[in-house]
Amino acid sequence: GNSVTQMEGPVTLSEEAFLTINCTYTATGYPSLFWYVQYPGEGLQLLLKATKADDKGSNKGFEATYRKETTSFHLEKGSVQVSDSAVYFCALSEPPQGGSEKLVFGKGMKLTVNP
Amino acid sequence: DTEVTQTPKHLVMGMTNKKSLKCEQHMGHRAMYWYKQKAKKPPELMFVYSYEKLSINESVPSRFSPECPNSSLLNLHLHALQPEDSALYLCASSRGFSGYNEQFFGPGTRLTVL
Repeated sequence: GNSVTQMEGPVTLSEEAFLTINCTYTATGYPSLFWYVQYPGEGLQLLLKATKADDKGSNKGFEATYRKETTSFHLEKGSVQVSDSAVYFCALSEPPQGGSEKLVFGKGMKLTVNP
Repeated sequence: DTEVTQTPKHLVMGMTNKKSLKCEQHMGHRAMYWYKQKAKKPPELMFVYSYEKLSINESVPSRFSPECPNSSLLNLHLHALQPEDSALYLCASSRGFSGYNEQFFGPGTRLTVL
């Protein structure tokens, strides 16, 4: 079946450091790929997405590129802030079944950014 | 309105109680989802409703009973739960039309079973 493997951490960085969170996937067909972020005590928020090969998703200074040749969707940010402290989930969307899509999540990575 | 709302925010119940979780969205989405999330784990899918019909049940115990009264509302009825059912319960919705559509999540209900 489809699966997502991502760095698990936890990771602690200083403010303004560069962030990379690796994510690779195994899937049949051509899934959509997502990064979700979960701040403490909250639900998941969509951070960015990409729906086909070579698409780049970006939001709030975060970027990720859908690389079909390496089956990867690594998340990057050039300069992290304290407010980026959260848990980050990489996910893929399996093909729609009857109008809904199943998300397959990675295990999540907790990021702490210190001032 | 681009929100998914969930009530209550917190719920404490005994093993003999009956309670319900409520989820609402007004984005015109036709697919709605229940997830269970344990601490430090990703969400686990429980149920999916598509066009108000149950389309996926991930072998969830019968003490969890979902209901979709209309296209905007999703309930999860709880009865005779076990302490291991304590978790964050997340609701999500997506457009439900063809194509790969992102899911929008609510803030969750933090459930504690005593």
